[in-house]
Amino acid sequence: DADVTQTPRNRITKTGKRIMLECSQTKGHDRMYWYRQDPGLGLRLIYYSFDVKDINKGEISDGYSVSRQAQAKFSLSLESAIPNQTALYFCATSDSSGLTYNEQFFGPGTRLTVL
Amino acid sequence: GQQLNQSPQSMFIQEGEDVSMNCTSSSIFNTWLWYKQDPGEGPVLLIALYKAGELTSNGRLTAQFGITRKDSFLNISASIPSDVGIYFCAGQRNYGQNFVFGPGTRLSVLP
Repeated sequence: DADVTQTPRNRITKTGKRIMLECSQTKGHDRMYWYRQDPGLGLRLIYYSFDVKDINKGEISDGYSVSRQAQAKFSLSLESAIPNQTALYFCATSDSSGLTYNEQFFGPGTRLTVL
Repeated sequence: GQQLNQSPQSMFIQEGEDVSMNCTSSSIFNTWLWYKQDPGEGPVLLIALYKAGELTSNGRLTAQFGITRKDSFLNISASIPSDVGIYFCAGQRNYGQNFVFGPGTRLSVLP
């Protein structure tokens, strides 16, 4: 089984709809991240969390919100989706302790299309 | 915000050829990471670099932390079809800060 899972894998929605993307991990990591990927722009950080209930804004947080109610789960919400939020969304985790503290493990991604 | 540039943006090579790509910044970084993204998958870490001048290998892949601390390089020797994908660099300015990702280099390997 995958260590970092994302649901759904694909979603098509309409402008104005509320959307939630879920991320779960079985790695036992304390840190979790949400990134957005657009062609030619690489990965941009939306929000990150270093522990349960800890929430921090990333580079492009406007229009998004997150929730970290448990160490293993980190959800991303679009309260009112707009077309320019069409992108590939990745969740990632990392462990703040140990030798691999810098390594982020990515989920398979969620492709979101906003019509 | 901080910007990372990757060159080339894309490349087509013959199977068996060696590949070189780089990542540059106007800022100094203390950590460089190289990731590979296969189609339909999330990025996977290939190599981590923590010291200026450091040269680290992972199989046919070799990465170097530039001595100016403003760049990093990735080489792939004797390319094979499964090397196809997008290669991302990521830099961290200071410990504990978040990483900045480059736009990626898309590699295609022709049989």
